[in-house]
Order: sequence, then C-alpha cells, then structure tokens
Amino acid sequence: DTAVSQTPKYLVTQMGNDKSIKCEQNLGHDTMYWYKQDSKKFLKIMFSYNNKELIINETVPNRFSPKSPDKAHLNLHINSLELGDSAVYFCASSQDLGQGGLGMMQPQHFGDGTRLSIL
Amino acid sequence: GENVEQHPSTLSVQEGDSAVIKCTYSDSASNYFPWYKQELGKGPQLIIDIRSNVGEKKDQRIAVTLNKTAKHFSLHITETQPEDSAVYLCAASHRQWGKLIFGQGTTLQVKP
Repeated sequence: DTAVSQTPKYLVTQMGNDKSIKCEQNLGHDTMYWYKQDSKKFLKIMFSYNNKELIINETVPNRFSPKSPDKAHLNLHINSLELGDSAVYFCASSQDLGQGGLGMMQPQHFGDGTRLSIL
Repeated sequence: GENVEQHPSTLSVQEGDSAVIKCTYSDSASNYFPWYKQELGKGPQLIIDIRSNVGEKKDQRIAVTLNKTAKHFSLHITETQPEDSAVYLCAASHRQWGKLIFGQGTTLQVKP
C-alpha cells in the first residue's frame, strides 16, 4: 500500500499551459506539503497545509496554487508554465506540525515525485 | 537566512568501508534533524532522525551524531553495501512549525 501517492509521475507540456498534480496520503496525517527539487537535487519547501489550512507559503509565484479538498489530499495547480518550472515536485505528509504537546516535529513521509518538463 | 550546509557532495567508498556525511545548520532554534535516502526515480525515504535532546542515535549500521554547540550533525554508515548507493539528504527543522531546511545532498557510491 502506497502511503503518499502522486499523479502523474511524469508531466511533459508546453510553456504557457496550465497543469495540475494530485497527491493523496492514506496515513491519516493532518499535515501535507509540496516540495520542489531542482536538477542539483536541492529540495525546497513550497507549501504546507494543516487540516486543510495553508500554513507555509514560501514566496512561491502566485501561478502556483495549492488546493486541499480534505486532509488526505493536497493538489498543486500551476498556471502559465515557464521553463524554470521544470523540476521534480514532491508531496509529503506528517502526523501534524508538531506544535502541540512537547513541540516535537513529526517525521515527514514523501511520495515518489512528479517530474515536470516544460518544452 | 537559515541554511544547511552538507559535505561532501559526492563520496565513493569500497564495500565494507564506513561512510560519513556531515551537515552544519545555522538556526539555533532547530531541534529536529532527519536524514533521508533518495534512490534514483524515488522520493526521499526517512532512514534515521535525531532530536536536540539526544547526542547520538543508532539503528543497525546507521548512526547519527549531533553537536548542538557546534551546530553540526553527521550520518555514519558502517559496513557499507552496494545497495547503500544513493543520494543522502540531511535536514534541520526551522522555528516555523513543520518547515524543514534541506542540505544540498551527498551522492554516495559504494563500489563492490
């Protein structure tokens, strides 16, 4: 059983198009994330949602719009795709933000990524 | 701003040798330090993590050490095997809840 699943695995499209990536987790987690990994393997957070509420928005262009219809899903919609958007996008989830109790951050579990290529 | 420096960027060892990867962080509020293994075409997989109230943690051939004073932590892999070959990513928590700052990654190659 896949814990964090993303679709599609590969996405090849033309500059200027609009595309969406879907993510689902079956771990019962409250928090979900989107990360971007560049060609040098550097992984950087884009967004996080906790119980469908946006928590982190890391100065990402407003062409990127996350949507969380419920706790188990976090989708990423990208408008007017640009060459620089080519990257691997990873979805992740964690039990919660870790802000409660002892304030212990919870482990994040990643999907296998969506490779976005802009022609 | 907050950052995590990871070294070396590439590491090649013979099967059976040990491998050590080091990371340095800048945010004194960081209190959680996970290590991920990323195989080709796959997502990062958590292999071990450590919290700031602990100096060392082991799990079979893998260990992580933390030096809060110096703000660095290290991954130690003993008796390396070819299947250990992958990209290893370190990360440190940010004072903003849920945020992880990642290092640049280390490509480990274990030669049979």
